[in-house]
Amino acid sequence: DTGVSQNPRHKITKRGQNVTFRCDPISEHNRLYWYRQTLGQGPEFLTYFQNEAQLEKSRLLSDRFSAERPKGSFSTLEIQRTEQGDSAMYLCASSLPGTPYEQYFGPGTRLTVT
Amino acid sequence: SQQGEEDPQALSIQEGENATMNCSYKTSINNLQWYRQNSGRGLVHLILIRSNEREKHSGRLRVTLDTSKKSSSLLITASRAADTASYFCATFTGGFKTIFGAGTRLFVKA
Repeated sequence: DTGVSQNPRHKITKRGQNVTFRCDPISEHNRLYWYRQTLGQGPEFLTYFQNEAQLEKSRLLSDRFSAERPKGSFSTLEIQRTEQGDSAMYLCASSLPGTPYEQYFGPGTRLTVT
Repeated sequence: SQQGEEDPQALSIQEGENATMNCSYKTSINNLQWYRQNSGRGLVHLILIRSNEREKHSGRLRVTLDTSKKSSSLLITASRAADTASYFCATFTGGFKTIFGAGTRLFVKA
């Protein structure tokens, strides 16, 4: 399967703990996006990478959130000191440089903070 | 904040009927897309319509775009139980950002 993959698929953590999610984009895609989706809503943009450079961050991404894409391949999203409001589906997508609007999504990581 | 607003929020129909979903948005766009999301899964890109296009077809899907009214509609003809999913419109305004609406939840009864 050469689609976008995300790990883990599910994560349950206690409030105050740190969590890290991983996204592996489609290999030839140099653009990578993170979104957050809460129940009954559409995905909300969090951040965007072009190769290893993080070019944009939403104001939704508080100081507790950090994302990296160290070699321009896979990306990680870390949430420190998790809060119950962080419970959501975290989606990763990737695209080719010429078609940034044609994004391919992974299955997501569902985070539950208890 | 989300740019697109879908209408209705939920739709229940019988297999074989047509399903129409509408989307309104706020700012000028380069293109508009529709995505499908099955329960608990990632989004799948269905169809894209550019700002200079008025109508587009793909299989059982028909999309219209009215830029003067800042609205779009998605028609699924001859619906099947497998079409049960949430459908989102997404607008692209240039650069990198795609903004999604809140979605329409479609339930097709067999």
